[in-house]
Amino acid sequence: GDSVTQMEGPVTLSEEAFLTINCTYTATGYPSLFWYVQYPGEGLQLLLKATKADDKGSNKGFEATYRKETTSFHLEKGSVQVSDSAVYFCALVNTGFQKLVFGTGTRLLVSP
Amino acid sequence: NAGVMQNPRHLVRRRGQEARLRCSPMKGHSHVYWYRQLPEEGLKFMVYLQKENIIDESGMPKERFSAEFPKEGPSILRIQQVVRGDSAAYFCASSLQGDINEKLFFGSGTQLSVL
Repeated sequence: GDSVTQMEGPVTLSEEAFLTINCTYTATGYPSLFWYVQYPGEGLQLLLKATKADDKGSNKGFEATYRKETTSFHLEKGSVQVSDSAVYFCALVNTGFQKLVFGTGTRLLVSP
Repeated sequence: NAGVMQNPRHLVRRRGQEARLRCSPMKGHSHVYWYRQLPEEGLKFMVYLQKENIIDESGMPKERFSAEFPKEGPSILRIQQVVRGDSAAYFCASSLQGDINEKLFFGSGTQLSVL
């Protein structure tokens, strides 16, 4: 079945450091890919998405590019802030289905 | 415009009791999804409902679990005769049109602990 694999956390960075959170997927067909973020005490929020190969999703300084050849959708940010501390979930949905398949989440801790 | 509201935030039950988890979707949303997050695992799809109808329950355990989304009122996820393995965070999400590429709005979750 479809699955998503994320790097394990926590990822600990200093403010203004470069961030990469790896995400790879296994799916038949042509899934859409998402990054969701969960801040402490809150529900998941859509951060960005890409619906076809080579698309780049971006939002709030975060970016991820849909790489079909490597089945990856790595999340990057050039300069993290303390307020980016959260849990980040990579997810996919396959064509014709109504359910997201999530990775296990990666906790990001940014210190001043 | 209030977001997706889930209650309670924390629910403690003893083995064999019933658990009822409530989800009020965003105003105007008629599509509701339930997900479960077991410790150290990602969120797993349970069920997708549209007002008064279950559209996809392929992720629901075959026994003890049921869900409804009545014409009036919140969606309810009901777990009968809870066991320790039911301890998890249960998240509800809603959408306006039911297009999975559309943005889903998630609640803050209900943390169920079974003693």
